[in-house]
Amino acid sequence: DTGVSQDPRHKITKRGQNVTFRCDPISEHNRLYWYRQTLGQGPEFLTYFQNEAQLEKSRLLSDRFSAERPKGSFSTLEIQRTEQGDSAMYLCASSLTRGANTGELFFGEGSRLTVL
Amino acid sequence: AQKITQTQPGMFVQEKEAVTLDCTYDTSDQSYGLFWYKQPSSGEMIFLIYQGSYDEQNATEGRYSLNFQKARKSANLVISASQLGDSAMYFCAMRAPSGSARQLTFGSGTQLTVLP
Repeated sequence: DTGVSQDPRHKITKRGQNVTFRCDPISEHNRLYWYRQTLGQGPEFLTYFQNEAQLEKSRLLSDRFSAERPKGSFSTLEIQRTEQGDSAMYLCASSLTRGANTGELFFGEGSRLTVL
Repeated sequence: AQKITQTQPGMFVQEKEAVTLDCTYDTSDQSYGLFWYKQPSSGEMIFLIYQGSYDEQNATEGRYSLNFQKARKSANLVISASQLGDSAMYFCAMRAPSGSARQLTFGSGTQLTVLP
């Protein structure tokens, strides 16, 4: 399967611990996005990369959150000193630079975080 | 500011019947794109259909069509001949330059249940 893959799919951690999620986008996609989705809500934008450059960050991305895409391929999202409010589904998406296509995002299945 | 509103938290439809999921949006931009995604219980967001603000014809993709009424700022999704596998959350989303040309703003979603 050549879709967007995320790992781990589920993570349970205790408050105060650090967690890291990995996203492998579709190989030819140069754009990569992280979204957060809480129960009953739509996804909320966190951050966006074009190749290895992080071009945009949401106000939702506090200083406990850091994202990287070191070689312009896979990306990691790290949350330090987790809080119960961080419990959510973390969705990764990728896309091609807009042009002839509509620029739709292709999403992975998400990483569900539960902070106890 | 951009906003997407989905006023139907839940909808029921009988198998083989058509159903309309409502979406209204707010933007001051003239050029923008509207998307619908389906999210089954597995969590993956699946792209369904796209409508550009300058597209004169309503978008169609198989059993999905988008009823685009620009003056009313509405972009309703119509699913014809509903199937049991259509049961899922459905999200309307928009991309517009003033809210960043690269990321999508999502509504809160509509949970569709198809009854046998």
